[in-house]
Amino acid sequence: DIQMTQSPSTLSASVGDRVSITCRASQSISSWLAWYQQKPGQAPNLLIYKASSLESGVPSRFSGSESGTEFTLTISSLEPDDLATYYCQQYNTFPWTFGQGTRVEIK
Amino acid sequence: QVELQESGPGLVKPSETLSLTCSVSGVSVSSTSYYWGWIRQPPGKGLEWIGSIKYGGNAYYNSSLNSRVTISLDTPKNEFSLKLSSVTASDTAVYYCARHVIYYGMGVWGQGTTATVSS
Repeated sequence: DIQMTQSPSTLSASVGDRVSITCRASQSISSWLAWYQQKPGQAPNLLIYKASSLESGVPSRFSGSESGTEFTLTISSLEPDDLATYYCQQYNTFPWTFGQGTRVEIK
Repeated sequence: QVELQESGPGLVKPSETLSLTCSVSGVSVSSTSYYWGWIRQPPGKGLEWIGSIKYGGNAYYNSSLNSRVTISLDTPKNEFSLKLSSVTASDTAVYYCARHVIYYGMGVWGQGTTATVSS
């Protein structure tokens, strides 16, 4: 199975900060990676697909990038509404796998 | 507008089979453009993919659950289901159903249903 390793596990930042979350795959997944945001008590919400494509309706402050087997989710200017846990997920190969999640806290 | 809604018993006894259904509206489960899947989240923990199925194709499962899980489509009812056998307390979780558009991601999710394993 492909392992997805996210870092950091928790991130604390101030409103307006630029924040980045990294996800590393244990083997090549091409660009078949998605990022999800899960707010407390809610179902996850798709933010990014195919590593860097923004899902319709998602604010443009969210972006994704890739370099080999390392993928990054960036929030260009953190807002209070971004308080959530973020997950990466590979869908290159079955079984699909999620990263362990990154909790974003607002200072 | 595509909507998914999970249903099933909230309480299951240990060693029994957990059965959940995801009712789909706004799109046909017979479309070959989508995978239909189940994801779970134990209390206070992260997301775990359980498995997915596509109309006319195979079902794929999490390696750690493979021997206990079955996902199937019911096209006349436009729904899909999850069966997880021999459950234990570690199967207690919120269970989500979701639609995965091929080459994209899981863009539509149900609200989730809690399943508790307890005697």
